[in-house]
Amino acid sequence: GESVGLHLPTLSVQEGDNSIINCAYSNSASDYFIWYKQESGKGPQFIIDIRSNMDKRQGQRVTVLLNKTVKHLSLQIAATQPGDSAVYFCAETGGTYKYIFGTGTRLKVLA
Amino acid sequence: DAGVIQSPRHEVTEMGQEVTLRCKPISGHNSLFWYRQTMMRGLELLIYFNNNVPIDDSGMPEDRFSAKMPNASFSTLKIQPSEPRDSAVYFCASSLAQGEIHEQFFGPGTRLTVL
Repeated sequence: GESVGLHLPTLSVQEGDNSIINCAYSNSASDYFIWYKQESGKGPQFIIDIRSNMDKRQGQRVTVLLNKTVKHLSLQIAATQPGDSAVYFCAETGGTYKYIFGTGTRLKVLA
Repeated sequence: DAGVIQSPRHEVTEMGQEVTLRCKPISGHNSLFWYRQTMMRGLELLIYFNNNVPIDDSGMPEDRFSAKMPNASFSTLKIQPSEPRDSAVYFCASSLAQGEIHEQFFGPGTRLTVL
């Protein structure tokens, strides 16, 4: 069930540490951004979203930061757990159905 | 609540055969998407339906691919004839389009292998 494969950037973190996953988006006109988590053998699952009129949004253990000046999005996961191991995608859209997905980052949580 | 349902989960077929992938969107959703995911290209949108009508099929690779949505609760993606380069994971997603927001919910995918 691998989503994308052998050449994904990989972030390895110790269990309990915080994780930061970064994404550079492509379109300065994009105004809605989403982070998805994809576990092996499953479809992408929505984690958190943010509109372009915000810089930061917090969920349960996750925070998304948006820097429109440099077209950068990050996902912070607090107290990373083994169940957080997955591939994480950012997606952007300019207010339409068409999402542009990033290539993904594989997060490995080390025990 | 049942999420997006796809079948089959895995399909192995031989080159030249017809393949049909099936999707049941989340009840009440008015938009449906078919995506393909590969190692080389990541997630690619193939086709988008709104209220059962195909709105954007610009991502469909070629005439061998076709998609239908006969009603609000069912869609198919057909490949005829299939080729080895069609091997990928195919995802169906649905959303309730409200204004500008189209939060998409993905199914578990169908892993297609064409030999």
